[in-house]
Amino acid sequence: ETGVTQTPRHLVMGMTNKKSLKCEQHLGHNAMYWYKQSAKKPLELMFVYSLEERVENNSVPSRFSPECPNSSHLFLHLHTLQPEDSALYLCASSQVGSYEQYFGPGTRLTVT
Amino acid sequence: GEDVEQSLFLSVREGDSSVINCTYTDSSSTYLYWYKQEPGAGLQLLTYIFSNMDMKQDQRLTVLLNKKDKHLSLRITDTQTGDSAIYFCAETDKLIFGTGTRLQVFP
Repeated sequence: ETGVTQTPRHLVMGMTNKKSLKCEQHLGHNAMYWYKQSAKKPLELMFVYSLEERVENNSVPSRFSPECPNSSHLFLHLHTLQPEDSALYLCASSQVGSYEQYFGPGTRLTVT
Repeated sequence: GEDVEQSLFLSVREGDSSVINCTYTDSSSTYLYWYKQEPGAGLQLLTYIFSNMDMKQDQRLTVLLNKKDKHLSLRITDTQTGDSAIYFCAETDKLIFGTGTRLQVFP
């Protein structure tokens, strides 16, 4: 595997379900990011992890819970989501101090 | 708050030049980036410009920066069907992205 991978690529879940999104980077980076991409809206930064510590949480509802167990892996735990949370969730990584981010293909989430 | 704005759609004929525009509000941005997103894929870094530059050319891509007007543009010459994608302008000091411009290239 190369670059940034995300699983699953598609996810349909009910509002009462609990699921997790996984991101893995094979680039030797030490910063990882979660973004939310909704149609016709700007890409929204959700969380930033730098050296495995969360350094930014952009007023994201608590039903989204990130986890970064090591510099290569990032998770987004989901529970009791709302239909408006349906979107493409993108993971990215970079070197700390670099502005160049590398993105994964995203997980398309549909909440029913 | 800080913002980055783009038009949502652009349609061009194959072989013509495409110009995608972006405006931003954060005058302290160090770099401004252009990303490309093809269907089903994540964002791919296309090019970037340092804030003290006016222009940067990279093969078919030309980035123009007008700091006074806080306006950034991406020009693609000899646009091909493979250039059809969504193009995102981004200000990366605060990690703010625009809505993306969907470029459609028709034969």
